[in-house]
Amino acid sequence: DVKVTQSSRYLVKRTGEKVFLECVQDMDHENMFWYRQDPGLGLRLIYFSYDVKMKEKGDIPEGYSVSREKKERFSLILESASTNQTSMYLCASSLSGAYGYTFGSGTRLTVV
Amino acid sequence: KQEVTQIPAALSVPEGENLVLNCSFTDSAIYNLQWFRQDPGKGLTSLLLIQSSQREQTSGRLNASLDKSSGRSTLYIAASQPGDSATYLCANRAQTGANNLFFGTGTRLTVIP
Repeated sequence: DVKVTQSSRYLVKRTGEKVFLECVQDMDHENMFWYRQDPGLGLRLIYFSYDVKMKEKGDIPEGYSVSREKKERFSLILESASTNQTSMYLCASSLSGAYGYTFGSGTRLTVV
Repeated sequence: KQEVTQIPAALSVPEGENLVLNCSFTDSAIYNLQWFRQDPGKGLTSLLLIQSSQREQTSGRLNASLDKSSGRSTLYIAASQPGDSATYLCANRAQTGANNLFFGTGTRLTVIP
C-alpha cells in the first residue's frame, strides 16, 4: 500500500513562529499536494508539486511556501504563523493522469 | 471551474439499512472520480476509484457508480453498520487545468445502533 506520512498529528505554535510541516510518500509519485481543511470551507489547495524542485500555487498560497528537494518529501512552511492558519493540514500524493490520490493522516495545527 | 455537490449534507439511518449518497459535478471532462471516507480529526481514506471509462466499482459492501454524461456519481452502502459513521467525500480529477482534485462538500453519515 502507498503510504503518505505526515510527521506530526498535532502541533501547537506561537504567533510569528516559523513552522515546518513535513510529508513523505513511499511510492515514487511525482505529484504531491498540500491542502488545508476548515469547517464549512472544505478542502482548499495551498500548493502542489509535479516534480522535484517544481511547485505551483493552489487556491490559497498566501502566507505559505513549500520545498521539494527530494521526490519523496514535500514540506509546507509557514514563514510567520498567524492565528488564522489554525487548521487541519492534509498532504496527498499521486501519479499523473488517471490515478487516484493518497492522503496522509493530517496535522492539526493550532497557532496561539 | 468544476463544481462538485453532495446531497444530503447529513444523513442518519438505523443500523442494517441500505443507503445511497449522491455526488454531482458540472464538468464531465474528468479522468476519474474517487470516494473518500474521513473520520473526525483524521485524514482521508480512499474507498473507491472509478475511471471515466467505467460505470461502477465495488468493494465489499460498497458500490460506486458513475454517469459522466449526467454528471453524477452515487455511493451505495449495503447493510450499514455503526462503524460506517463518518463523513464521505467525493472528488473528481479534471482533465483540464491544474493537476488537482475537485472536492464535494461531503455527507456526514451517522448509523444508529
